[in-house]
Amino acid sequence: QKEVEQNSGPLSVPEGAIASLNCTYSDRGSQSFFWYRQYSGKSPELIMFIYSNGDKEDGRFTAQLNKASQYVSLLIRDSQPSDSATYLCAVPPDTGRRALTFGSGTRLQVQP
Amino acid sequence: DVKVTQSSRYLVKRTGEKVFLECVQDMDHENMFWYRQDPGLGLRLIYFSYDVKMKEKGDIPEGYSVSREKKERFSLILESASTNQTSMYLCASRQGGSDTQYFGPGTRLTVL
Repeated sequence: QKEVEQNSGPLSVPEGAIASLNCTYSDRGSQSFFWYRQYSGKSPELIMFIYSNGDKEDGRFTAQLNKASQYVSLLIRDSQPSDSATYLCAVPPDTGRRALTFGSGTRLQVQP
Repeated sequence: DVKVTQSSRYLVKRTGEKVFLECVQDMDHENMFWYRQDPGLGLRLIYFSYDVKMKEKGDIPEGYSVSREKKERFSLILESASTNQTSMYLCASRQGGSDTQYFGPGTRLTVL
C-alpha cells in the first residue's frame, strides 16, 4: 500500500513569510501529486496538483516535485492568516478505481 | 463547478439506530467515495463505487454498507450505529480517467 508522510505540525510562520510544507511518498511509480487545504470543521478543497518534476506556480502557491528524492513540497508566499489550515498531500491509486491516498496533513498557523 | 452535496451537516443518533448518509454529485462522475476523518488518524476510505450498483470495500468497511442505485447518488449506511462511529464523514467524487477528487461539505455524526 502506498504511504504518504507529512509532519503534523503545527508549522507556525509570521504573516508575510514563506510557508514550506513537505510530503514524502513511498511509491516511486507515483506520477501525480495533489495538495488539498482543509479549514477546521470543513472538507478538503483542492489547491493544486503536479505531474512533472520541477515547480508549478499558481498565484501565491508553488508546488515542487522531486521524484528522485520522493518528496513534494508546497510553498505559500506572502502567507496570510487566512492560510491557516491543515494541508493534505495525496497521491493517486495504483489502479483507476481506488481513491487517493492522503497524508495525515500538516497544520499551518500564520501569526498576524 | 463541481458540486458534491451531503444530506446533513450535523447528525445526532442513538446507539443501535440505522443511519443513512446521502451524497449527491451533479457532474456525472463515475467514481464516488466515502471517507471518515478522525483526529490523528487522517482520512480513511470506507467504500467506493465506480459505477451504478458497483461497490468495493475500502480500508475500514466494517460496520458500514453502501448503495448506489443512481449514478449521481451514493449512500452510506450504518446498520446499527455505535459510539465508535462518531466521526466526520466525507463524500467525494471523481470523473473516470481523472485523479482529481472533489469533496462534499461533510457530515459530523455523533452517536450517543
